[in-house]
Amino acid sequence: EDQVTQSPEALRLQEGESSSLNCSYTVSGLRGLFWYRQDPGKGPEFLFTLYSAGEEKEKERLKATLTKKESFLHITAPKPEDSATYLCAVQATGTASKLTFGTGTRLQVTL
Amino acid sequence: EADIYQTPRYLVIGTGKKITLECSQTMGHDKMYWYQQDPGMELHLIHYSYGVNSTEKGDLSSESTVSRIRTEHFPLTLESARPSHTSQYLCASRVTGVETQYFGPGTRLLVL
Repeated sequence: EDQVTQSPEALRLQEGESSSLNCSYTVSGLRGLFWYRQDPGKGPEFLFTLYSAGEEKEKERLKATLTKKESFLHITAPKPEDSATYLCAVQATGTASKLTFGTGTRLQVTL
Repeated sequence: EADIYQTPRYLVIGTGKKITLECSQTMGHDKMYWYQQDPGMELHLIHYSYGVNSTEKGDLSSESTVSRIRTEHFPLTLESARPSHTSQYLCASRVTGVETQYFGPGTRLLVL
């Protein structure tokens, strides 16, 4: 059975304090790994899709990386507006586009 | 920018009422999905559709039903709402050939 585990559950950073969020996964075969940002009471907002080990994607202060067992979301010099829950999801091959989500990392960035 | 809409955004309703949650997208996506999310928990797939007149149940058992009569519209119906249906319902869509799913803003349902 496909599984996604995200750590830490919650993270509190000061503005400018860089850190990384972890997403560990087990799938029979990876078709894609997805990162989303979710603000309270809203739907997930798409950030990145990664398809193969070694792939990296960047957007502003965020950088996502992928290995065969895990993905990291690196946040460089975060700002308070980066506060949100970050969700990781995987799609396995042959699963008819079904996504398996983790429970997310709640990030709070303070001044 | 994803153009996917859900109404209502919030709904408080009594037990036994029939409700329909609306989801529409203007991107021409052929595939659409419904997820259920409880606070602090992961999203669970409850229904999906590959196109008009195609609907399938997801992993999470749900007493809801869906229909797909038009490409852009994927409503979810609860025939008789119960307090156990209290949750957030999220609609998503994607186009064949692109794996990324785009989400709507969600409907928060409270059944009293």
